[in-house]
Amino acid sequence: DAKTTQPTSMDCAEGRAANLPCNHSTISGNEYVYWYRQIHSQGPQYIIHGLKNNETNEMASLIITEDRKSSTLILPHATLRDTAVYYCIVTADGGSQGNLIFGKGTKLSVKP
Amino acid sequence: DAGITQSPRHKVTETGTPVTLRCHQTENHRYMYWYRQDPGHGLRLIHYSYGVKDTDKGEVSDGYSVSRSKTEDFLLTLESATSSQTSVYFCATYRQSSGYTFGSGTRLTVV
Repeated sequence: DAKTTQPTSMDCAEGRAANLPCNHSTISGNEYVYWYRQIHSQGPQYIIHGLKNNETNEMASLIITEDRKSSTLILPHATLRDTAVYYCIVTADGGSQGNLIFGKGTKLSVKP
Repeated sequence: DAGITQSPRHKVTETGTPVTLRCHQTENHRYMYWYRQDPGHGLRLIHYSYGVKDTDKGEVSDGYSVSRSKTEDFLLTLESATSSQTSVYFCATYRQSSGYTFGSGTRLTVV
């Protein structure tokens, strides 16, 4: 699976959009981009995933560049409860073999 | 998540004693996993199962065994607990459409 690079930490004002970047320059054509987050002391939570098209669900939007070498997770109206560590993961099979590498992620702090 | 229940949520045990952690899921998922999470190491796969009685080892399987006699239950056993197995243990299921769903975790302390 391709490696990802994320900023260590980011701050966001409550009510504003949080834009979390991820670089995955070695991504292969059959690899998906997944985003998870982990709120303190809880299990990681699936947010969204995509292959090449932009995706949106009730939690977030995922923007993938045309060359697929980077992506951005957008939380449109961040709340204090969105404070968490966000993980960007690239994988061909979604991790069915249990081989997701969560890395260090981005610690997002949403401030009042 | 409402579909995954881990028990117990917290446990303190003595070195050398056997410990079994239970993961119960209600959504008929084929795949189930056990991870441990430690500071500085992130999530590490212990064992996983791809069906009843079908299991495989993960990255850190030494000292652990698993069993899956029913689709809904995946048990993790520490045959003889050691202090290095003090950790937070997460169970997870997998669905291709939505990736992993994790349980709330079991915090195990071996003294």
